[in-house]
Amino acid sequence: NAGVTQTPKFQVLKTGQSMTLQCAQDMNHEYMSWYRQDPGMGLRLIHYSVGAGITDQGEVPNGYNVSRSTTEDFPLRLLSAAPSQTSVYFCASSPGTGYTYNEQFFGPGTRLTVL
Amino acid sequence: AQKITQTQPGMFVQEKEAVTLDCTYDTSDPSYGLFWYKQPSSGEMIFLIYQGSYDQQNATEGRYSLNFQKARKSANLVISASQLGDSAMYFCAMGVFTGGGNKLTFGTGTQLKVEL
Repeated sequence: NAGVTQTPKFQVLKTGQSMTLQCAQDMNHEYMSWYRQDPGMGLRLIHYSVGAGITDQGEVPNGYNVSRSTTEDFPLRLLSAAPSQTSVYFCASSPGTGYTYNEQFFGPGTRLTVL
Repeated sequence: AQKITQTQPGMFVQEKEAVTLDCTYDTSDPSYGLFWYKQPSSGEMIFLIYQGSYDQQNATEGRYSLNFQKARKSANLVISASQLGDSAMYFCAMGVFTGGGNKLTFGTGTQLKVEL
């Protein structure tokens, strides 16, 4: 049971390049989400999914796309990277729907630098 | 909208002493949960403790306890008998349970340094 895995751990992009941050979980969790962490800002929700085929925007969705074709995977796409997207990205999953308490399991993070 | 405020950017505590990290929150939703996470220098997010808005007693997990004062909208983390390994960034977070319990709103964090 690997929990929540993220790849890559580190990435450097040039402005305008595209890339996909991968997130996978093997706990059969319905809920998955992406956060970004910037210095002095805490974590902010980018996008989330309550199940395969269902996604929605969080607090800071601009510049990011997501899809959820399987329960296990929830990739985050940057279509045209900008320096403002330099951040640490965390993927999280949870077994619940959000109507009661459920522990969130966080991945180890991806540190992205956009030059 | 929910808001979490952590007013202590940095805290120092001596080893074996207790320390309180402050967290205040704002929400109009009556059903919510409050979380504390630890982030060591290695970067991972470690869940510490949870308090539900309807829980009658303050949550405790080993050396961690949550001082929940609902009327004051505060959810302070108390770490007893501090250890060097407690040095880390600590985040308070909230989720509301009208279907958004998994959408956490985080505070800006408190950097705790434990000294000998």
